[in-house]
Amino acid sequence: AQSVSQHNHHVILSEAASLELGCNYSYGGTVNLFWYVQYPGQHLQLLLKYFSGDPLVKGIKGFEAEFIKSKFSFNLRKPSVQWSDTAEYFCAVNAPGYALNFGKGTSLLVTP
Amino acid sequence: DSGVTQTPKHLITATGQRVTLRCSPRSGDLSVYWYQQSLDQGLQFLIHYYNGEERAKGNILERFSAQQFPDLHSELNLSSLELGDSALYFCASSVHGSEQYFGPGTRLTVT
Repeated sequence: AQSVSQHNHHVILSEAASLELGCNYSYGGTVNLFWYVQYPGQHLQLLLKYFSGDPLVKGIKGFEAEFIKSKFSFNLRKPSVQWSDTAEYFCAVNAPGYALNFGKGTSLLVTP
Repeated sequence: DSGVTQTPKHLITATGQRVTLRCSPRSGDLSVYWYQQSLDQGLQFLIHYYNGEERAKGNILERFSAQQFPDLHSELNLSSLELGDSALYFCASSVHGSEQYFGPGTRLTVT
């Protein structure tokens, strides 16, 4: 069965700390990989995406993610978080043209 | 602003009732997806339309239905509502095969 697993459900960091959120997926065939962010009370916004090519992708707001095919992983990173990064982060996977399969999300709280 | 619009933002209704949620995709996007977000189930795919035709169904109940109109806007119809249907309902649009952009959602509360 296709699935997406996010390892950390709740993360608390101090400002300027580094962030890494884990995401593993189980999918057959070609996949597209995404990280979405949901700020409190807002809709899902696309942080970054991987379709093909360079496995290290850079997104908005200083986020990046690395696709490691052998590990079926697509971890999200940011070298130095800010209070404004407090949000829910969702990893998602799909076969091109199909619906997104989301992980359960990671709630990030950044303290001043 | 993603360019995807959804109305209404909030909806409060009673059990047994029927509601219609509306979504307008980004200009040029032919695909519309509907998702349900709840605390216990997370984000679940409901249904996908492409250029007016149903393409795929996910965890959509028989009490729920959707359609996409010639102007590409979509409506999600929820009937015989139950307390457990209370959730955020998002639609997303995309150029076929590309990333999906989400609307602001409709928060449905069933009392």
